[in-house]
Amino acid sequence: NAGVTQTPKFQVLKTGQSMTLQCAQDMNHEYMSWYRQDPGMGLRLIHYSVGAGITDQGEVPNGYNVSRSTTEDFPLRLLSAAPSQTSVYFCASSRQGAHGYTFGSGTRLTVV
Amino acid sequence: SQQGEEDPQALSIQEGENATMNCSYKTSINNLQWYRQNSGRGLVHLILIRSNEREKHSGRLRVTLDTSKKSSSLLITASRAADTASYFCATRNTGTASKLTFGTGTRLQVTL
Repeated sequence: NAGVTQTPKFQVLKTGQSMTLQCAQDMNHEYMSWYRQDPGMGLRLIHYSVGAGITDQGEVPNGYNVSRSTTEDFPLRLLSAAPSQTSVYFCASSRQGAHGYTFGSGTRLTVV
Repeated sequence: SQQGEEDPQALSIQEGENATMNCSYKTSINNLQWYRQNSGRGLVHLILIRSNEREKHSGRLRVTLDTSKKSSSLLITASRAADTASYFCATRNTGTASKLTFGTGTRLQVTL
């Protein structure tokens, strides 16, 4: 099993550009989430999903869109990149119920 | 906003000593989880404790939960240099069972 796969690992964007961060899991997990991690702030939830076709906003959703057309994939779209979106982005998935999350290795995004 | 706050923010100990990290949270929870993050890597799930449990063990890890004080502690016994990492608590809150909210983390340094 590959677990949670995130691509790309690194990305540099210019202000105003758009892009999609990819996330795929092969564990048939119902729950998937996107977090951003900034120095000294821990992880903040951007968007999450409890199953295909169902998504909801987390703490910091502005500037990001998600969709969940399949159980396996949960892409995160940056609509118009801003320097404030420079961060490390983590995708994670979990089974329903009292289970821990499996994290991807992250995407380090720099917006210039 | 962050749900959990870890204390201390940073901890430096020698190999063989025990390390204790504390987490406080604000609202009613279904469960509380602890994660480890090595520098530049994704998070790894360590242990989950349900709201009706008071203590749980896994290898050298011991987690306690006091729901009346809204606090948890993670004890790592006989620390090793390989335990050097950041440790995060995360909560699944009552009524939002699919969302996992993280604290700001404790940086643990274990020296030889």
